[in-house]
Amino acid sequence: GAVVSQHPSRVICKSGTSVKIECRSLDFQATTMFWYRQFPKQSLMLMATSNEGSKATYEQGVEKDKFLINHASLTLSTLTVTSAHPEDSSFYICSASRQGKGGYTFGSGTRLTVV
Amino acid sequence: GIQVEQSPPDLILQEGANSTLRCNFSDSVNNLQWFHQNPWGQLINLFYIPSGTKQNGRLSATTVATERYSLLYISSSQTTDSGVYFCAVAKGGGADGLTFGKGTHLIIQP
Repeated sequence: GAVVSQHPSRVICKSGTSVKIECRSLDFQATTMFWYRQFPKQSLMLMATSNEGSKATYEQGVEKDKFLINHASLTLSTLTVTSAHPEDSSFYICSASRQGKGGYTFGSGTRLTVV
Repeated sequence: GIQVEQSPPDLILQEGANSTLRCNFSDSVNNLQWFHQNPWGQLINLFYIPSGTKQNGRLSATTVATERYSLLYISSSQTTDSGVYFCAVAKGGGADGLTFGKGTHLIIQP
């Protein structure tokens, strides 16, 4: 149980375009999901907390207009990287916690390359 | 916010050796997890262990919450154990995101 699915696993896009990444909780409902970013050979950094039916909460230094988060249902959160630039190239990974069950489950991540 | 420090940053061992990875954190937490990140980036959850001791095969972990540290033990290392091991913590019970340490990069040589 507690499976989180993330798509796509890899995406290459042109500079200036937008990319949407989906994060789904497959066998549980997640009122809260989290988005992280990882640059090469670095640790994971929390970008934002996605709350079902309300606005996301962004960490300091994360541009909310560039990284649009939508959590329209209890099983789906999306991250849209708008007007992507090469410096947005990174590994993006989502997670969710199952109520009543300790710990967080992570998706398999999305490697974004902006050319 | 919470600070998480992991040591050592790098560790190279021969196959069959044992190792201990350490995670220190700066505040009380309700969530602590150990992850192994494979070469494809996937985070494999090893332990959810905000306190106490757990074992899973060749791996075990202990968290001493009152002293704010956790240890991950790997016995009889195999080459497939290579990768980055992260410790991550959160104060809340599911409403807070995790704060990750910088990881321990483990290389097991045949």
